[in-house]
Amino acid sequence: DIQMTQAPSSLSASVGDRVTITCRASQSISNFLNWYQHRPGEAPKLLIDGASNLQSGVPSRFSGSGSGTDFTLTISSLQPEDFATYYCQKSDSTPLTFGGGTQVEFK
Amino acid sequence: QVQLVQSGAEVKKPGSSVKVSCKASGDTSRIYGISWVRQAPGQGLEWMGRIIPTVGVANYAQNFQGRLTITEDTSTNTVYMELRSLRSEDTAVYYCARVSRRDGSNYVHYYFMDVWGKGTTVTVSS
Repeated sequence: DIQMTQAPSSLSASVGDRVTITCRASQSISNFLNWYQHRPGEAPKLLIDGASNLQSGVPSRFSGSGSGTDFTLTISSLQPEDFATYYCQKSDSTPLTFGGGTQVEFK
Repeated sequence: QVQLVQSGAEVKKPGSSVKVSCKASGDTSRIYGISWVRQAPGQGLEWMGRIIPTVGVANYAQNFQGRLTITEDTSTNTVYMELRSLRSEDTAVYYCARVSRRDGSNYVHYYFMDVWGKGTTVTVSS
């Protein structure tokens, strides 16, 4: 099975910072990669599908890029509501494995 | 708009089974699958498996092979997740999620989980 590895596992940032999270697949998954945001006590929220397609209603400060094995989620200017854990997930075929998550904490 | 309503919290003994339901209401025409995802305390999200509605075909993560069964009742738009031989490590919040599809160029289909239930807490304790 293809493994998904995220880096870093956690990071500390301030409001207004640019934040970059990486996700690496152990084999090529083309652009079949989704990103989710998960806040404590809430259900996960889909941010991006197809590596770069921003979901309706998601602020434009979120963006995704990459294909093959290397992907990036960028938050251009971190807002208070963005402090959460972010997960990538492969969507090319089952198993639909998640990365280990990146917790974005307040510095 | 579709909503997914999950059954309530469960407390189970080790070795027993749990069956969690996920009922879809609203516009159910664009459901390409229902996935189950769990999060154990202090851990990340873990994809467990999914079922393709009406066809009834289910796929499972290797970690759950033999212990997990996902079924559907099409008459009530409800999907069930049954996990057997429970152990303490199965203590988690269990989510169901709608699998939707976006059609890209060159007949490529992108699948993603865009509507989620609120989660069901399952506690396994003696």
